[in-house]
Amino acid sequence: DTEVTQTPKHLVMGMTNKKSLKCEQHMGHRAMYWYKQKAKKPPELMFVYSYEKLSINESVPSRFSPECPNSSLLNLHLHALQPEDSALYLCASSQEWVGGTRQPQHFGDGTRLSIL
Amino acid sequence: TQLLEQSPQFLSIQEGENLTVYCNSSSVFSSLQWYRQEPGEGPVLLVTVVTGGEVKKLKRLTFQFGDARKDSSLHITAAQPGDTGLYLCAGESEDYKLSFGAGTTVTVRA
Repeated sequence: DTEVTQTPKHLVMGMTNKKSLKCEQHMGHRAMYWYKQKAKKPPELMFVYSYEKLSINESVPSRFSPECPNSSLLNLHLHALQPEDSALYLCASSQEWVGGTRQPQHFGDGTRLSIL
Repeated sequence: TQLLEQSPQFLSIQEGENLTVYCNSSSVFSSLQWYRQEPGEGPVLLVTVVTGGEVKKLKRLTFQFGDARKDSSLHITAAQPGDTGLYLCAGESEDYKLSFGAGTTVTVRA
């Protein structure tokens, strides 16, 4: 089982709905990430939070709004999405630096999002 | 974004055969990770390589990082059906971004 927990596992929503994706980790990691993955493609980075502050936004449309309420939680608020936003949304976390070495990212199982 | 070229894109082999997946770039990476992803799940970390020329073994899997830290390979010996999945290499650049290769879909037939 993954140590990064994402809810819900599946989400179907209309283009006018507002919903949120949640991600939680209790490994003490201080960096958290949102990725989008389309079928048979690699994950694409959306946002990076470091020590609860947004450090990277990969030019993501404003209909996606990230939030990091504390060091263990990461949310992705969704509003007015388009059908092309249907994808697997992955959350990841990492310890950043340990002993001079950057630590790898650990992924959750994702939320499968379908926009009607 | 630094590009990672992964090959082959698809690989179908019989149980017991060996296979190698390659990951190449013109850029230098501070580290490189290999992940395996199964349908409906997130990528699972297999290994991280950091030092040029480094070789790491994980049971039947052998990972190598090129001397110049621009390329890597994953070799599986005596593949089993449980090795089936999407294998992703990902290189970390100095700005801490992770660049993924396109992935290799491996199918091991019983």
